[in-house]
Amino acid sequence: EVQLVESGGGLVRPGGSLRLSCAASGFSFSDYWMSWVRQAPGKGLQWVANINSDENEKYFVDSVEDRFTISRDNAKNSLYLQMNSLRVEDTAVYYCVRARYCSSGSCYLDYWGQGTLVTVSS
Amino acid sequence: QSALTQPPSASGSPGQSVTISCTGTSGDVGGYNYVSWYQQHPGKAPKLMIFEVNKRPSGVPDRFSGSKSGNTASLTVSGLQAEDEADYYCNSYAGRKNWVFGGGTKLTVL
Repeated sequence: EVQLVESGGGLVRPGGSLRLSCAASGFSFSDYWMSWVRQAPGKGLQWVANINSDENEKYFVDSVEDRFTISRDNAKNSLYLQMNSLRVEDTAVYYCVRARYCSSGSCYLDYWGQGTLVTVSS
Repeated sequence: QSALTQPPSASGSPGQSVTISCTGTSGDVGGYNYVSWYQQHPGKAPKLMIFEVNKRPSGVPDRFSGSKSGNTASLTVSGLQAEDEADYYCNSYAGRKNWVFGGGTKLTVL
């Protein structure tokens, strides 16, 4: 059974940093693209970032490109999102998601974690 | 990276069919056959329902179907059931390694 478990969320001041982690199990993690998708409270979904299996392709939504970093450790079956210079508008539940065929553009999201809440507030 | 346009709400009675639209541009929905749809129940993670416009993952009932015409993609739910009541989001490739979601549609089963 595919499982994705996020951790690392919490309350942080504007301008601060936070690192999210995602522990993956039940599939060959190193073979898949992975994504982060976020959802602000009461709002819709927003794609944040993608990373390919060997980390040589990384893509970000414009609003986070200079502030967030995505990485992975295939030996530990783990995905990470380093978030710097956090803003109030980054407040959201962040989902770790397995993605398929992003190289072609398809990039459909077939398994989702339960999410971790990040709150940016003074 | 503008969000795709979905109606805020849709509704139907049990057994009826409902179609939810997702309108973009020639730069996203109209330009690629890479539209996917996600169902989200309150407090839960989203679930993949349709990928690549009209393909259903295993385990998704065939009451769910997808299509596309021009810059508009559609999700049709036939034979509505109470458990179909949820939020639905479309997603499309938007070129240059960007992907965009729709604003979401709340489906109510009357």
